[in-house]
Amino acid sequence: DTAVSQTPKYLVTQMGNDKSIKCEQNLGHDTMYWYKQDSKKFLKIMFSYNNKELIINETVPNRFSPKSPDKAHLNLHINSLELGDSAVYFCASSQGGTGGREQFFGPGTRLTVL
Amino acid sequence: GENVEQHPSTLSVQEGDSAVIKCTYSDSASNYFPWYKQELGKRPQLIIDIRSNVGEKKDQRIAVTLNKTAKHFSLHITETQPEDSAVYFCAAPKTSYDKVIFGPGTSLSVIP
Repeated sequence: DTAVSQTPKYLVTQMGNDKSIKCEQNLGHDTMYWYKQDSKKFLKIMFSYNNKELIINETVPNRFSPKSPDKAHLNLHINSLELGDSAVYFCASSQGGTGGREQFFGPGTRLTVL
Repeated sequence: GENVEQHPSTLSVQEGDSAVIKCTYSDSASNYFPWYKQELGKRPQLIIDIRSNVGEKKDQRIAVTLNKTAKHFSLHITETQPEDSAVYFCAAPKTSYDKVIFGPGTSLSVIP
């Protein structure tokens, strides 16, 4: 049983297009995240939702818009794709709360913008 | 501000030797310190974590030690094996919002 799943696994698209990545977790967690991992392997948080509410919004261009229809799903929509958006995008979830918790990552979506 | 550093950025060891990766953080409010392992092409996965009320934690060949005064914690891998080759990330979450700041990663290569 997959704990955190993402679709698609690979996404190749032209500059200027709009694309979406979907994420689902079946762990019953109440906090979900989007991370961007660039070619140098840096893992940078983009957004975090807790019970469908946006709680972390890092300095990400407003071309990126997350959406959480329910606490098990967190989608990422990207408008007007640019070359610099090419990266691996990881969704993650955790049981939120103070004290910090293990994050469970999805398999990643490799986005290539041509 | 928030800052998490890791050293070294790359590490190469002979199979059977030990490997140590050090992580320093700046936010004194942090009290949970995980280490994640990411194999090539795979997702990051937690391998060990420690909370600030504990100085050391061990799980078979891996251990983590914490020095909260100096704001650093280290990952120790003993009797390294080729399957330990991966990128290792430390993290220092900001507990109030569960925001996780990851270190830049350490690429470990274990040479058979």
